[in-house]
Amino acid sequence: AQSVSQHNHHVILSEAASLELGCNYSYGGTVNLFWYVQYPGQHLQLLLKYFSGDPLVKGIKGFEAEFIKSKFSFNLRKPSVQWSDTAEYFCAVRGGSQGNLIFGKGTKLSVKP
Amino acid sequence: KAGVTQTPRYLIKTRGQQVTLSCSPISGHRSVSWYQQTPGQGLQFLFEYFSETQRNKGNFPGRFSGRQFSNSRSEMNVSTLELGDSALYLCASSPHDLSEIVLWNEQFFGPGTRLTVL
Repeated sequence: AQSVSQHNHHVILSEAASLELGCNYSYGGTVNLFWYVQYPGQHLQLLLKYFSGDPLVKGIKGFEAEFIKSKFSFNLRKPSVQWSDTAEYFCAVRGGSQGNLIFGKGTKLSVKP
Repeated sequence: KAGVTQTPRYLIKTRGQQVTLSCSPISGHRSVSWYQQTPGQGLQFLFEYFSETQRNKGNFPGRFSGRQFSNSRSEMNVSTLELGDSALYLCASSPHDLSEIVLWNEQFFGPGTRLTVL
């Protein structure tokens, strides 16, 4: 069965610090990978997605993620975080014929001003 | 274009009752999926509907059911509520059947319905 692991439950950073959130998945076939963000009181929004091609994907608000097939990883990065990045971040994978998203348990990011 | 809307936004029920949640997808979207979000289990897939047919179902008991209407609006029903059913229930719509693994087949999420079971 497919699964997604997010290594960090809660990350606390100061503004301007660099961010890397880990995501590993288990699925042997072709996958599509996503990062969603949930700001406090708001609904899930797509940050970026990977389907094929360049493994370095750029998303909104300066976020990027790198797909490393050999490591089954899709880590999210941002060079310099802002207080407004405080949110919960979810990695998700879609593979096989069913198509529904399998989510990781999420990482809460708190950015101190 | 209006986003995915869900009603009601908040709901309080007692054990043993049943509840119906509603979701209106983005105009033109034909696929609607439902997810349950809890602090312990995270986001878990419930089911997907496309053109009024259930296409896929997650690992939830039969107390959880859903349907989709001809206008793509969807409802989910939970019967004989249990305390553990307290959660945020999210609806997501996409233009195509989720089995179409294509770049533009993105899922858009609604704000959710917060269900509390007492």
